[in-house]
Order: sequence, then structure tokens, then C-alpha cells
Amino acid sequence: KQEVTQIPAALSVPEGENLVLNCSFTDSAIYNLQWFRQDPGKGLTSLLLIQSSQREQTSGRLNASLDKSSGRSTLYIAASQPGDSATYLCAVRRPVGTSSNTGKLIFGQGTTLQVKP
Amino acid sequence: EPEVTQTPSHQVTQMGQEVILRCVPISNHLYFYWYRQILGQKVEFLVSFYNNEISEKSEIFDDQFSVERPDGSNFTLKIRSTKLEDSAMYFCASRVGGSSYEQYFGPGTRLTVT
Repeated sequence: KQEVTQIPAALSVPEGENLVLNCSFTDSAIYNLQWFRQDPGKGLTSLLLIQSSQREQTSGRLNASLDKSSGRSTLYIAASQPGDSATYLCAVRRPVGTSSNTGKLIFGQGTTLQVKP
Repeated sequence: EPEVTQTPSHQVTQMGQEVILRCVPISNHLYFYWYRQILGQKVEFLVSFYNNEISEKSEIFDDQFSVERPDGSNFTLKIRSTKLEDSAMYFCASRVGGSSYEQYFGPGTRLTVT
């Protein structure tokens, strides 16, 4: 059974710092991995999606990497800002072709980031 | 930019009552999902829906739950007889299909069962 873990559970950094959030998954047979941002009491905003054949994806100050064989992904945030404060979730999807493969995402518990001015 | 919308944003109901949570997925999307997040816990998959039928459901999605796409735009989640443990944030998501697997989530409905 696929389990997704995110470490640390919480992180507090001063503004301007570069930081890395970690996501690990127990079954390396994934189709893709998606990083989301969740603001308190709000929905999930998709940040980046990495296909299993890719090593990384970039969007602005965000860079997500994927090492499928070791079951790890990282989200790198450059030059952090107070507006980056939120909970960051990673989620994995099973490979196409597995039984009942409908795109179900399995989530980690998230890392809550606070960027202090 | 198109987005998934959900109504209501907050629903309070008494135990045993039926609730219907509504979602309007992005218009050209073909796959629809419900997830839930109990306070302080992980986001959990409930059900996926494609071509007017359930394609997968989790063990949480028992006979008390049902989904429907009554018209070309709405996607609903019904809980027939709510329990205290159904209190959670319920998220609707959709994706276009084909080679695109990115799921887009709505803002959620907070369900409080008293």
C-alpha cells in the first residue's frame, strides 16, 4: 500500500532564505507526483506536476525534483517571502494500467511553512 | 482562468440529516473526484467519476455516500445520514483527461455535523 510522508511537519524560516521541503513515498511505481499549496481553511492550489519520466519541473521560484527509484521528491523554494507561508502537500498517482487506475491521488500530511519578515 | 467551484462554503447539519455538497468542475474536464480532509489529517480520496459512473471508490465511501452528475455542469456528493465523524472539509477536483493528469481542486466545503 502506498504511503506518502512529508518531513518536516513544520518549518519556520526568515524571509529571503532558500529552503527545501521533502516528500517520500514507499512504492516507487508511480505515474506522477503533484505538489500543492494549501492556505489555512482553503482549497488546494496545484504548484507543479512531475511525470515519472521527468527529473524536475520549475515554475518561477519553485523547483520540484523527483527521484523515483529512491521514492523521493523535493520542493525547492528560492528567496522565500512571507506570502509563501502555507501548507505544502505532495501527492502521488499510481501508474497508468494498474487496475482501477482513475487518477486517485495519495497525499502526504503536508509541511506547514512560516516565512517570517 | 477556469476554476472548480463548490457550494456551500460551509454547511452545518445535525447528525442523521442528509446533505448535498455541490461542485461545478472546469467545463471541458471529463474526470471528477471527491476528497475529504478531517481537521489535522491527510487529504483522503473518496471517489472518482467518469463517463457518468463511479470508476473507483475508497473504503470510506460506503452506502451512505453517493455521487451524481445531474446535468452537464454540476457534480454532487450526497451523504444520506450524517455522522459526527463526517465532519471534514470536502474537496471536489477535476481533470481534463487524455495525456493531462493534473487535478484541479475547488476551495472546499466545510461540513460540520453536530
